[in-house]
Amino acid sequence: QVQLVQSGAEVKKPGASVKVSCEASGYTFTNYYIHWVRQGPGQGLEWMGMINPSGGRTNCAQKFQGRLTMTRDTSTTTVYMELSSLRSEDTAVYYCARSPTTSQLDNWGQGTLVTVSS
Amino acid sequence: DIQLTQSPSFLSASVGDRVTITCRASQGISSYLVWYQQKPGRAPKLLIYAASTLQSGVPSRFSGSGSGTEFTLTISSLQPEDFATYYCQQLNSYPLTFGGGTKVEIK
Repeated sequence: QVQLVQSGAEVKKPGASVKVSCEASGYTFTNYYIHWVRQGPGQGLEWMGMINPSGGRTNCAQKFQGRLTMTRDTSTTTVYMELSSLRSEDTAVYYCARSPTTSQLDNWGQGTLVTVSS
Repeated sequence: DIQLTQSPSFLSASVGDRVTITCRASQGISSYLVWYQQKPGRAPKLLIYAASTLQSGVPSRFSGSGSGTEFTLTISSLQPEDFATYYCQQLNSYPLTFGGGTKVEIK
């Protein structure tokens, strides 16, 4: 079955970076985009960006440009999301999710809590 | 960016009620609209895509309709497991924005 398994919770200081992984299994890795969506405490969902594992092309919301880096490793079927210059407002649960090209997000990871605190 | 406005943001309903949630887009998005359900502490779950197509395994009491700028999610007979928050998302253009959510609670 399709699985997206994310790395564990992180606590970071303001100004630091965080790197979250999303390991995919149960399907052909390069046939589906991987998206990153975050959710602040008590807040709604916010789309951050996506990567096409076939070739590595990315698309990022303007809000995160310059701070968000998404990469993939096809040998381990893992996608990485790195967010830099962290501030308290980046405290959130970060989800990866897959989609068949630009389409619905049909399977989601379990989420990774990132806490930014001094 | 395309803005999605959901209404209501909160609704209180009873088991067996018919519930309708609306999602309005700031510009036309054809049928590039999906609906998710999220329960506390869980990842969102895809319910409906292409505005009206039910995802495999989702109960038939859920339905979606609309195109252009106005969309609805309807639950024909609310069940206890349906109490959750519902989000719409547009896939017409980047960034792929979400609506603000509608929390459905037990009356």
